Amino acid sequence: KAGVTQTPRYLIKTRGQQVTLSCSPISGHRSVSWYQQTPGQGLQFLFEYFSETQRNKGNFPGRFSGRQFSNSRSEMNVSTLELGDSALYLCASSLYSPSRLAGAYEQFFGPGTRLTVL
Amino acid sequence: QQQVKQSPQSLIVQKGGISIINCAYENTAFDYFPWYQQFPGKGPALLIAIRPDVSEKKEGRFTISFNKSAKQFSLHIMDSQPGDSATYFCAASIGGGSTLGRLYFGRGTQLTVWP
Repeated sequence: KAGVTQTPRYLIKTRGQQVTLSCSPISGHRSVSWYQQTPGQGLQFLFEYFSETQRNKGNFPGRFSGRQFSNSRSEMNVSTLELGDSALYLCASSLYSPSRLAGAYEQFFGPGTRLTVL
Repeated sequence: QQQVKQSPQSLIVQKGGISIINCAYENTAFDYFPWYQQFPGKGPALLIAIRPDVSEKKEGRFTISFNKSAKQFSLHIMDSQPGDSATYFCAASIGGGSTLGRLYFGRGTQLTVWP
């Protein structure tokens, strides 16, 4: 079974530009979460999607947004890029189960997109 | 406020030794505690996880010990190997309901195993 895929793997942008990152979850997984990883702040939760609806959002400014499509694929967008947005952006997928069965919580991460803002 | 506190920040262990990484949390609503392993240039990989209804879980050389009353949990890597050299993250989440298990991560431990 293929893992979580993220595109592109590397991206270089300049301040003020916007960027869109893509994530394809593991086949059959319906929940997608996004995290930002930086040396200074560690792994920080951005948002979480299930059935095309944002179910949870972390403490990030409105410049960070996302969406999920009917096939569970997800995109995140960052507008008006700042130098501090340079980070590894990670997508994680999980097999959400309302009955809390074993394995329902497991989140599997993709390789990430390395964004550099100049 | 860091919801999950992890220590040590870095750890150096001799090959064959035991690596121990500790984490502590405050939120008693957490009900799922995974550990992730991350190599440079890769995303975190799920290593092992535990629910608070058990005190210990073992998978191969990796063991999680969980102390609910102390709100602490730890990862033990037995017979540590150079290939185990990586950054390890503990995490916690409140599964189910509307949150679907947002993960709160510790700051990570850089493990180096000397041959």
